[in-house]
Amino acid sequence: GENVEQHPSTLSVQEGDSAVIKCTYSDSASNYFPWYKQELGKRPQLIIDIRSNVGEKKDQRIAVTLNKTAKHFSLHITETQPEDSAVYFCASMDSNYQLIWGAGTKLIIKP
Amino acid sequence: ETGVTQTPRHLVMGMTNKKSLKCEQHLGHNAMYWYKQSAKKPLELMFVYNFKEQTENNSVPSRFSPECPNSSHLFLHLHTLQPEDSALYLCASSQGAEYTGELFFGEGSRLTVL
Repeated sequence: GENVEQHPSTLSVQEGDSAVIKCTYSDSASNYFPWYKQELGKRPQLIIDIRSNVGEKKDQRIAVTLNKTAKHFSLHITETQPEDSAVYFCASMDSNYQLIWGAGTKLIIKP
Repeated sequence: ETGVTQTPRHLVMGMTNKKSLKCEQHLGHNAMYWYKQSAKKPLELMFVYNFKEQTENNSVPSRFSPECPNSSHLFLHLHTLQPEDSALYLCASSQGAEYTGELFFGEGSRLTVL
């Protein structure tokens, strides 16, 4: 069935540097790709999403890129700050409107 | 109160107990979901309710029994659970089950089965 692979599982970057998290999906009919951030002990919250008719979307320090041909999408965070420390989850929505989730990336921002 | 609220936040139960998790949303959404979250694993969708009707049951064992009395409330009834059922149970809501948009999650109920 449909699955989403997310890498890396843990990412440690120096404060101020950039972070990139990558996901690949298998269902070519997938058309919606959200990213959620979950801080320790908190609920997952949507931070950015992209639809299949768009190749890139930016929101301040956060951007998402989508390559439909290769079936992968990435989250880019620039000028990382301590409050960016969290677990980030990617997902893709299949043709039955069901979200298929990645296993998460723990992002650690080193001071 | 706004958003999605889950109670209790923490629950410890024995394998023979019966307990329930409650979820309430004040967002006017039509779809509600139960997810299971285990460490280092993808979120596992358990149940989906759309306009109070169950539309998805992802092969969840019968020891988990959902109930959706109205579009604002969702329950997960638990009985004769196993230790491997220990996890964070997240409730979420959205405008509709066939909708490409944001899922709003609750803070979760941390379940420990002894």
